[in-house]
Amino acid sequence: DVKVTQSSRYLVKRTGEKVFLECVQDMDHENMFWYRQDPGLGLRLIYFSYDVKMKEKGDIPEGYSVSREKKERFSLILESASTNQTSMYLCASWSSNTGELFFGEGSRLTVL
Amino acid sequence: DQQVKQNSPSLSVQEGRISILNCDYTNSMFDYFLWYKKYPAEGPTFLISISSIKDKNEDGRFTVFLNKSAKHLSLHIVPSQPGDSAVYFCAASKGYGGATNKLIFGTGTLLAVQP
Repeated sequence: DVKVTQSSRYLVKRTGEKVFLECVQDMDHENMFWYRQDPGLGLRLIYFSYDVKMKEKGDIPEGYSVSREKKERFSLILESASTNQTSMYLCASWSSNTGELFFGEGSRLTVL
Repeated sequence: DQQVKQNSPSLSVQEGRISILNCDYTNSMFDYFLWYKKYPAEGPTFLISISSIKDKNEDGRFTVFLNKSAKHLSLHIVPSQPGDSAVYFCAASKGYGGATNKLIFGTGTLLAVQP
């Protein structure tokens, strides 16, 4: 079974803090994604990565950056957290065999 | 511009009855569609998919119907069970998906199956 692991399930941070969300997948997938989920807005794509050191902006990249130094790891960075970044963050990796996105369990971030 | 729309935020169904979740899309280039299910505090999990060469795909209690001319798809769950209570997301892409053909998700429908 594909496993996508997000390092933190729940985080509480203060406005202005730097936040790192880590994601690791174990299936050697090239494509990885970061989404955020908000009520009434569904899943919105923040950033994605084709491969190591490759990254592309999604639909809502403002206030975020990413890092992909190793194939299995894709990190989302909030340089200076703001209250409107309180959300559920979901990492996913994509299987070219099945066309399926595999999601991690999510990281619930609260910014005070 | 919401390219994938789920106009019903919530749906309540009695156990044993049929649940029908609807999804509309605006981009006629979309040719691959998926449904994901999400429980609270968990990541979404893949449920069923359909490509535009088909108009129906079935997997156990779950059937997805695609009407290309109406740009509409629906997910039927028969019979509905309390464990089906979750948020259901419809997603679409041009091509098979991945970074080249990103999945576009709808806003989700919360299904509540009453015992």
